[in-house]
Amino acid sequence: KNQVEQSPQSLIILEGKNCTLQCNYTVSPFSNLRWYKQDTGRGPVSLTIMTFSENTKSNGRYTATLDADTKQSSLHITASQLSDSASYICVVSGISGGYNKLIFGAGTRLAVHP
Amino acid sequence: ETGVTQTPRHLVMGMTNKKSLKCEQHLGHNAMYWYKQSAKKPLELMFVYSLEERVENNSVPSRFSPECPNSSHLFLHLHTLQPEDSALYLCASSQEITTGTRSYEQYFGPGTRLTVT
Repeated sequence: KNQVEQSPQSLIILEGKNCTLQCNYTVSPFSNLRWYKQDTGRGPVSLTIMTFSENTKSNGRYTATLDADTKQSSLHITASQLSDSASYICVVSGISGGYNKLIFGAGTRLAVHP
Repeated sequence: ETGVTQTPRHLVMGMTNKKSLKCEQHLGHNAMYWYKQSAKKPLELMFVYSLEERVENNSVPSRFSPECPNSSHLFLHLHTLQPEDSALYLCASSQEITTGTRSYEQYFGPGTRLTVT
């Protein structure tokens, strides 16, 4: 069964600290993996997208890694800011029935405190 | 803003009411989607439209009825809902539906927070 598991479920860190969020997936065949940021009361917004041939992608203070062999991805946030408080959702695209399907993780809720 | 708007942003309705959610995209996309997001659960894909034609219905109860009059607008008509239908309903659009190995970015609206009493 295609699944995306994220950990931790929630995380609290102090402003300025770094953190790493994890994503494990069992989606096969695999097309690409995305990380989305969802602010409270808003829709998800894409941060990074990686195909199976890419193992790292950066977007400002956000760096995503992908290990297609172990089917694991991580999102590293550097020098956290209060505005980083949000849910971070890992989304894996797999091929099913002739077209790509997005499999969503439940997200990690990050709270950055001053 | 992502170019996808949703109205209303909040909706409270009784189980016997009939209401509609509206989504509009200003991106010139051909594909539109409805998702349900419940607390601490992954997004659940409900419906997919491509060029106003429904291409996917993920076993959604008939009390949810989608309508896509043109490629820029998508509605979700609601009737006789249950309290467990309370959730955030997200609309998204993409340039095309994803086919084969080609995956198109989906742009999400802000969602409608629905509470069924």
